[in-house]
Amino acid sequence: SQKIEQNSEALNIQEGKTATLTCNYTNYSPAYLQWYRQDPGRGPVFLLLIRENEKEKRKERLKVTFDTTLKQSLFHITASQPADSATYLCALGSNAGGTSYGKLTFGQGTILTVHP
Amino acid sequence: GAVVSQHPSRVICKSGTSVKIECRSLDFQATTMFWYRQFPKQSLMLMATSNEGSKATYEQGVEKDKFLINHASLTLSTLTVTSAHPEDSSFYICSARTGPSSPLHFGNGTRLTVT
Repeated sequence: SQKIEQNSEALNIQEGKTATLTCNYTNYSPAYLQWYRQDPGRGPVFLLLIRENEKEKRKERLKVTFDTTLKQSLFHITASQPADSATYLCALGSNAGGTSYGKLTFGQGTILTVHP
Repeated sequence: GAVVSQHPSRVICKSGTSVKIECRSLDFQATTMFWYRQFPKQSLMLMATSNEGSKATYEQGVEKDKFLINHASLTLSTLTVTSAHPEDSSFYICSARTGPSSPLHFGNGTRLTVT
């Protein structure tokens, strides 16, 4: 069955360092992968989308890589700040037909805490 | 742009009653909306896909008679939890998007507590 694993439940880093979060998947051939941020008691907020034919995407301090051979995505936050503390979710999507079309499957999330 | 509004944000109800949650796309039309459920420290679990003007598509294991979904217009979908029980207590979140592979725009969720 399809499985998505985010490297760890929690990640603690010091302000100014780069946070690296991992998303691994098995038994899946996603057409695209998305990263979301979720704050406690709130709905997720979209951050970045990367498609299967793209290796890397950047947006300000954020960078996402997508390796379909390793079946892995890395999410980096450079020059991290305490305000970056949140849960980060990866989500995989398929363009396959039928009931899977456009459906997103989420990982369990990684809680990032950036200490001042 | 692409704002999704969800109400109520919190609701406490007694066992056996029904609760309706509304999800509105404020500045775009959404032919498809998605309803998720999230338990503490767990990921989002898709419950059903709500299609405007037609029946919702439910995920395996989700009781369609218990979680009634109505998508009456291009900007409104509702989820009604019927005959709620304590095990239905959870965080329910709706989402919508502007295209098939576009990002999801989420509402802020509804914390349901059934006593």
